[in-house]
Amino acid sequence: GENVEQHPSTLSVQEGDSAVIKCTYSDSASNYFPWYKQELGKRPQLIIDIRSNVGEKKDQRIAVTLNKTAKHFSLHITETQPEDSAVYFCAGTISNFGNEKLTFGTGTRLTIIP
Amino acid sequence: DTGVSQNPRHKITKRGQNVTFRCDPISEHNRLYWYRQTLGQGPEFLTYFQNEAQLEKSRLLSDRFSAERPKGSFSTLEIQRTEQGDSAMYLCASSFDANNYGYTFGSGTRLTVV
Repeated sequence: GENVEQHPSTLSVQEGDSAVIKCTYSDSASNYFPWYKQELGKRPQLIIDIRSNVGEKKDQRIAVTLNKTAKHFSLHITETQPEDSAVYFCAGTISNFGNEKLTFGTGTRLTIIP
Repeated sequence: DTGVSQNPRHKITKRGQNVTFRCDPISEHNRLYWYRQTLGQGPEFLTYFQNEAQLEKSRLLSDRFSAERPKGSFSTLEIQRTEQGDSAMYLCASSFDANNYGYTFGSGTRLTVV
């Protein structure tokens, strides 16, 4: 089955700087990669996703890049703000109108230092 | 419709007792997923339904675990003869067919087995 590894496990950045979180996946057939943000005591929330037919997707301060050859994808947050502090999870799946089971990474605790 | 609803929010039970959790998905969502999350880890897939059909079960789901979605709406997850290792957050998520890859998670049920 799919295996998703995520690095780093913790990340601290100064407010206003950029943060990058990286994930690798094992199954070359995986074609859908969402990112979830989970604040303390709250539910995971989808913040951005990317399909394997594109290499990059951007939504305001958040972007995700995908390298299919190397089987890795990354989350980029620019101009970080205190409210970006949370645990971020990457995930992958083979999405083919059937099994949409997600395999999650172990999470990155992001702390924005004011 | 206010999103995915899970009850109870917290459950403390003695080892060996049975517990049942309920998930009410977003009404138009036909897919419903159960995940388990332990401290410091990403959510782990347990099982999922398309309408009332249970399409996949993880190997994590031992014989003590059973899930149902009798009318294709709400779902229940029952754990029989609970063990301390069952202590975790149990998350439910829902989505609508193959064109909506983004899950909406519920707030979870935190189970503590003492």
